[in-house]
Amino acid sequence: QVQLVQSGPEVKKPGSSVEVSCKISGGTFSSYSINWLRQAPGKRPEWMGGLIPMLGTPDLSEKFQDRVTLTADESTNTAHMKLRSLTSEDTAVYYCARSMSGYPPWPQHWGLGSLVIVSS
Amino acid sequence: ELVLTQSPNTLSLSPGDRATLSCRASRGVHNNYFAWYQCKPGQPPRLLIYGASTRATGVPDRFGGSGSGTDFTLTITRLEPEDFAVYYCQHYDSSLWTFGQGTKVDLK
Repeated sequence: QVQLVQSGPEVKKPGSSVEVSCKISGGTFSSYSINWLRQAPGKRPEWMGGLIPMLGTPDLSEKFQDRVTLTADESTNTAHMKLRSLTSEDTAVYYCARSMSGYPPWPQHWGLGSLVIVSS
Repeated sequence: ELVLTQSPNTLSLSPGDRATLSCRASRGVHNNYFAWYQCKPGQPPRLLIYGASTRATGVPDRFGGSGSGTDFTLTITRLEPEDFAVYYCQHYDSSLWTFGQGTKVDLK
């Protein structure tokens, strides 16, 4: 059974950075796409980017490509998302999601989300 | 830029009713790259339908997806109490996943 356990809530100041982690158990870590999405209250989900750990190079949304870094540590089966230059607009729940097999990499398995609040 | 427009914004129904949700794309898209999600407060989005019409693992068969080109439909044949939620359509592209604005199915 695939499980994704995300890091806890964060409160950050504008201009700072946040890193969210996502530990994945069950299944093969390296060969499935891990995607990051966020959802602000009352808003639609928003895709930030994704990567396949064994390939290493992420696909990033143009909106976030200048300030997001996605990494995956195969030794700990943990994916990381770092978002820089935070503003209040970045307040949201951030989700990691692991794909099912095949293409497109539909997000079958989800973490419970990590709340990030950006406030002065 | 692809835009997905869902209708209606809100659907007020009763348990046992049939729900029909629509999603229109601003240009034709391939069925393989189209999906539907269910969102409930405090929970992650749940993949319901992918490839326009394939139910994801564990999704009850009262959920069905159809459509092609620019017009897609999610049908819930008989609403159960747990189906009252917000539903989003989504298009996949390797460099951008696009979501519709959502349809809220609420209790009449």
